Amino acid sequence: GAGVSQSPSNKVTEKGKDVELRCDPISGHTALYWYRQSLGQGLEFLIYFQGNSAPDKSGLPSDRFSAERTGGSVSTLTIQRTQQEDSAVYLCASSLDEVSYNEQFFGPGTRLTVL
Amino acid sequence: RKEVEQDPGPFNVPEGATVAFNCTYSNSASQSFFWYRQDCRKEPKLLMSVYSSGNEDGRFTAQLNRASQYISLLIRDSKLSDSATYLCVVTFDRGSTLGRLYFGRGTQLTVWP
Repeated sequence: GAGVSQSPSNKVTEKGKDVELRCDPISGHTALYWYRQSLGQGLEFLIYFQGNSAPDKSGLPSDRFSAERTGGSVSTLTIQRTQQEDSAVYLCASSLDEVSYNEQFFGPGTRLTVL
Repeated sequence: RKEVEQDPGPFNVPEGATVAFNCTYSNSASQSFFWYRQDCRKEPKLLMSVYSSGNEDGRFTAQLNRASQYISLLIRDSKLSDSATYLCVVTFDRGSTLGRLYFGRGTQLTVWP
């Protein structure tokens, strides 16, 4: 596709349930990033992939959060046993490669609401 | 302390006004600097990079002062379409944090007719 796509666009879940968020980067982009934006807060880095490996996962807030990337393309962010404080917009971005990380193209985000 | 601090605003200015946003960063090892723009309920998009020599793109001028760890964005002749949140971004170009963008919380601008 022409840009980064994410699904679902909105997700409402109950506390304690697991959720999976998907990101399709721009075709040919090898670097992929996950951020989250909570209400009134700036964007917070979560994890970064170069190819299928994650050189930097230090931004994941707890061990309930995990992410994987397969085939150097699609990535899935999984949140287990969701809590209300996990409610946020989860944004995915991609760049051509890790050298071009300065220009990251963002997807529209997944708005997660945990009841 | 956050890596990047911005005045959240909001800034409300009439069309045609000149408005300036400021941003400070805490880590002197910061290497690259940017302004991103985020429209309401939309994703952030790169507006412009910021260089030590200063750079201009049409009505937008960005400045960097490394000694003071300070970045600015000046918008001249404001348009209604400039209404958005402007995000100050820094990166560290080495080590394990390569690839991570550090965002300020953003400065909200509303341009009124």
